[in-house]
Amino acid sequence: SQKIEQNSEALNIQEGKTATLTCNYTNYSPAYLQWYRQDPGRGPVFLLLIRENEKEKRKERLKVTFDTTLKQSLFHITASQPADSATYLCALPYSSASKIIFGSGTRLSIRP
Amino acid sequence: EADIYQTPRYLVIGTGKKITLECSQTMGHDKMYWYQQDPGMELHLIHYSYGVNSTEKGDLSSESTVSRIRTEHFPLTLESARPSHTSQYLCASSEVADGYEQYFGPGTRLTVT
Repeated sequence: SQKIEQNSEALNIQEGKTATLTCNYTNYSPAYLQWYRQDPGRGPVFLLLIRENEKEKRKERLKVTFDTTLKQSLFHITASQPADSATYLCALPYSSASKIIFGSGTRLSIRP
Repeated sequence: EADIYQTPRYLVIGTGKKITLECSQTMGHDKMYWYQQDPGMELHLIHYSYGVNSTEKGDLSSESTVSRIRTEHFPLTLESARPSHTSQYLCASSEVADGYEQYFGPGTRLTVT
């Protein structure tokens, strides 16, 4: 079955720097991959989707890459701000594609 | 802001009680989901529905049940709550087509004493 690996250790970044989070998956290459943000005690909020035929996707200060050879997606936040501090979840579809599986997330802290 | 609502937000209840967690969405989405999440852990899918009168169990075994009588409403019921049911329960909905984002509710934090 598909497994998602995200760095379980928290990532601490100085404000203004670029934060890079990693999502690795183990089995079949998914048709798409999603990234969500989750704040403590709240539900996840969708950020970006990237499809298997796309190498890179951007939205404001966010950039996502998708390497199906490495079975990896990278999530970048440029010019990071303390308000970007949250847990970021990677998600991708099951083989049936109608459900998605979430990674355990990486906690990001941006210090002023 | 997603138009998906969950009530109650917090619930503390004794062992053996029957509880129903409410979830409603006003976006007309056919797909709805229930996830269970413990602090610092990943979301586990416990139930999902593709439309009215359609419900399926997810990957995490759960003693809860769900119903989908109306498109906008997807309640989750525990017939007899136990301390092992203590967790955060998150409801979500999405468009029918694959790849569409899931909209999450604020969650219900359940504590069974």
